[in-house]
Amino acid sequence: KNQVEQSPQSLIILEGKNCTLQCNYTVSPFSNLRWYKQDTGRGPVSLTIMTFSENTKSNGRYTATLDADTKQSSLHITASQLSDSASYICVVRSPSGGYNKLIFGAGTRLAVHP
Amino acid sequence: DGGITQSPKYLFRKEGQNVTLSCEQNLNHDAMYWYRQDPGQGLRLIYYSQIVNDFQKGDIAEGYSVSREKKESFPLTVTSAQKNPTAFYLCASSIGTGTSYEQYFGPGTRLTVT
Repeated sequence: KNQVEQSPQSLIILEGKNCTLQCNYTVSPFSNLRWYKQDTGRGPVSLTIMTFSENTKSNGRYTATLDADTKQSSLHITASQLSDSASYICVVRSPSGGYNKLIFGAGTRLAVHP
Repeated sequence: DGGITQSPKYLFRKEGQNVTLSCEQNLNHDAMYWYRQDPGQGLRLIYYSQIVNDFQKGDIAEGYSVSREKKESFPLTVTSAQKNPTAFYLCASSIGTGTSYEQYFGPGTRLTVT
């Protein structure tokens, strides 16, 4: 069964600290993996995309990694800011019958406190 | 939220009533999607449409209906047959193929049925 599991479910950190969010997936076939940021009551916004051949990709203070062998990805946030408080969703794309199916993780809810 | 509008932001209905959620996009995207988001769960696909006048059931289509008469519009009707309609509903549209494929999300509609 295609699944995307994220950990931890929730996380509280102090402003300025770093944190790492985890994503494990069992999706086949695999096309790519995206990390989205979703503010409360808003739609998700893409942070970064990882393809099979990419190990690391950065977008400002966000760095995503992908290990396609172990089917794991992580999102590292450096020098957190209050505005980083949001849910972070790991999404794996799987091409299936001409349709680009997306399998969503349940998300990690991050709270950054002053 | 990039060119996708959903209205209203909050919607309240009595049990047994049908309700229609609006989704409009000005991105000239061919494909559009409806998702449902519940606490602690990943987004689940309700319906999708890859082209005007055509749409397909997603993973949880029971109790929902859609239409795609115009490229820009993809309204979702939550019928009285939907057992647990209270949720956050997200509309999305997509562009590209291969590694350039990306879904863009609207701001969402929170539906509460009592």
